[in-house]
Amino acid sequence: DSGVTQTPKHLITATGQRVTLRCSPRSGDLSVYWYQQSLDQGLQFLIQYYNGEERAKGNILERFSAQQFPDLHSELNLSSLELGDSALYFCASTRGGGDYGYTFGSGTRLTVV
Amino acid sequence: DQQVKQNSPSLSVQEGRISILNCDYTNSMFDYFLWYKKYPAEGPTFLISISSIKDKNEDGRFTVFLNKSAKHLSLHIVPSQPGDSAVYFCAAIEETSYDKVIFGPGTSLSVIP
Repeated sequence: DSGVTQTPKHLITATGQRVTLRCSPRSGDLSVYWYQQSLDQGLQFLIQYYNGEERAKGNILERFSAQQFPDLHSELNLSSLELGDSALYFCASTRGGGDYGYTFGSGTRLTVV
Repeated sequence: DQQVKQNSPSLSVQEGRISILNCDYTNSMFDYFLWYKKYPAEGPTFLISISSIKDKNEDGRFTVFLNKSAKHLSLHIVPSQPGDSAVYFCAAIEETSYDKVIFGPGTSLSVIP
């Protein structure tokens, strides 16, 4: 157990639907990062939050949004889902401030049918 | 445009031999590099890192070499063990980018007993 908890582990949904992925960071970590791993692709950075505020944005689609709550857990919302959104979505956390030791959760596997 | 490249999608090595995983990058502003290891159904885990002011960092069986002029780094595993079979991601950080880590596409290593 890495200390980063992601739920659900698996999600199957239909095109056009909306889903929410949840991440609880490791205790004491203020930064949360979301990454997408599609088939045969590396980890694509989506978005970062630090202590509740958006810090950096990567290749995140407009149909996707995220937030970090006061208790530091984060949610990634994916809407108007398309077949191509099927992927593994990873959350990672760090203490921030130059701590590069990402701790990853085990991911949520999203399948859009 | 992929800033971190791992041109070998897969690599097979005999147990006990050396595994060499290569990584190239294009962004000269990267100044910190990491290697992550990922087993199926798990999130990536941090393996080893190197700062751009160094050209070598060693941790047990794992050594990372950095050639800044060539924008190239490599991970050496000696001796390779079957438990090392995993996907290895090379990653880089531009220190001014709020800890945003850019990952390569990964190399799948198989260590044959």
